[in-house]
Amino acid sequence: AQRVTQPEKLLSVFKGAPVELKCNYSYSGSPELFWYVQYSRQRLQLLLRHISRESIKGFTADLNKGETSFHLKKPFAQEEDSAMYYCALSGISGNQFYFGTGTSLTVIP
Amino acid sequence: NAGVTQTPKFQVLKTGQSMTLQCAQDMNHNSMYWYRQDPGMGLRLIYYSASEGTTDKGEVPNGYNVSRLNKREFSLRLESAAPSQTSVYFCASRAPERNTEAFFGQGTRLTVV
Repeated sequence: AQRVTQPEKLLSVFKGAPVELKCNYSYSGSPELFWYVQYSRQRLQLLLRHISRESIKGFTADLNKGETSFHLKKPFAQEEDSAMYYCALSGISGNQFYFGTGTSLTVIP
Repeated sequence: NAGVTQTPKFQVLKTGQSMTLQCAQDMNHNSMYWYRQDPGMGLRLIYYSASEGTTDKGEVPNGYNVSRLNKREFSLRLESAAPSQTSVYFCASRAPERNTEAFFGQGTRLTVV
């Protein structure tokens, strides 16, 4: 069963434009949600977690339990934001940790 | 501060050969994971280990076996490699508390010819 859905495989925006990367999840319990970023050929690293409600590199994400969404947003995209972004879900028994299919973001100069 | 270390970084296998991917973490984490990353498929969970001495299947376990040798080490074995197992493999570890992040290794790029 698909637990995390990222509907956009590819997303291109111009530098300075707003960007939103969508993530929907399927889990009836109390979810733990994260955004990870992977720059070219590097290891995945944590960008945000919903519990922290923080802004990292200008990115924010809000958990909407009614819509079961955790979309990632940034008001003004920068070229260095070009990367692969993964939404991840945990909270399932056994400490399982599931990822979506990822969205490849390209910021056009 | 090594974090999560995977070996090898690259490997080419012939169909039918076997090999073991090694993963070690120095953060005293209980949980460890193996994922494969394929274009358009994202990261798919192969196996995970919630604690030392336990292992469980993830989304795509067929063709793989794992061993949680001790708290530090979690290995992934391909008994008879197939071209469909060509992928980038990532190991990760995580503390058991809620909302903690998973830390990843640098990946192993495996090609089966």
